[in-house]
Amino acid sequence: DTAVSQTPKYLVTQMGNDKSIKCEQNLGHDTMYWYKQDSKKFLKIMFSYNNKELIINETVPNRFSPKSPDKAHLNLHINSLELGDSAVYFCASSQDLGAHPHSGNTIYFGEGSWLTVV
Amino acid sequence: AQTVTQSQPEMSVQEAETVTLSCTYDTSESDYYLFWYKQPPSRQMILVIRQEAYKQQNATENRFSVNFQKAAKSFSLKISDSQLGDAAMYFCAYGNMLTFGGGTRLMVKP
Repeated sequence: DTAVSQTPKYLVTQMGNDKSIKCEQNLGHDTMYWYKQDSKKFLKIMFSYNNKELIINETVPNRFSPKSPDKAHLNLHINSLELGDSAVYFCASSQDLGAHPHSGNTIYFGEGSWLTVV
Repeated sequence: AQTVTQSQPEMSVQEAETVTLSCTYDTSESDYYLFWYKQPPSRQMILVIRQEAYKQQNATENRFSVNFQKAAKSFSLKISDSQLGDAAMYFCAYGNMLTFGGGTRLMVKP
């Protein structure tokens, strides 16, 4: 079973549309994240949730709204899609907030969702 | 703000040889963590190795080892006995929220 799973893996949509990417983790972790990898492979954190509460929002536009119905799920909703939103979006999870090698806390990534806005 | 720099956009290595990927970072913290992640063509981000700044000893994981130079703020990854399956993007990352460098594409020649 995949530990962190995202759907869909590929999504092509038109500018102005609203879309969602779902993420589920079956590791029993308390913390989940969304990262964005742009066309130049640059990878950056967007959000972090701990026990369904927003912990980190890295100056992401309001069009992006994460929703965590429970601690095993963190979905990403994007409104009014723009060309610049084309990227690979990675969901991730860890037991506690942040990666802490001394405690063994590791961030595990999903396989990514490739969003193309045309 | 912390920044992570990987100065080598691409590297190539002959199978069975050794290659070193460079990473430098900027921070004012004294205790922190550093990581190397591998991203194969499947796009999955896979943790390769991690280092705690307060530990003097360089981390090793099988064929992967790091050269951590705290004063120089350098954290290079050495891959020994390179295998075809090592071909991937490699990302250096700083801190518990993972601030990533721009990545290095590693090609392995048979």
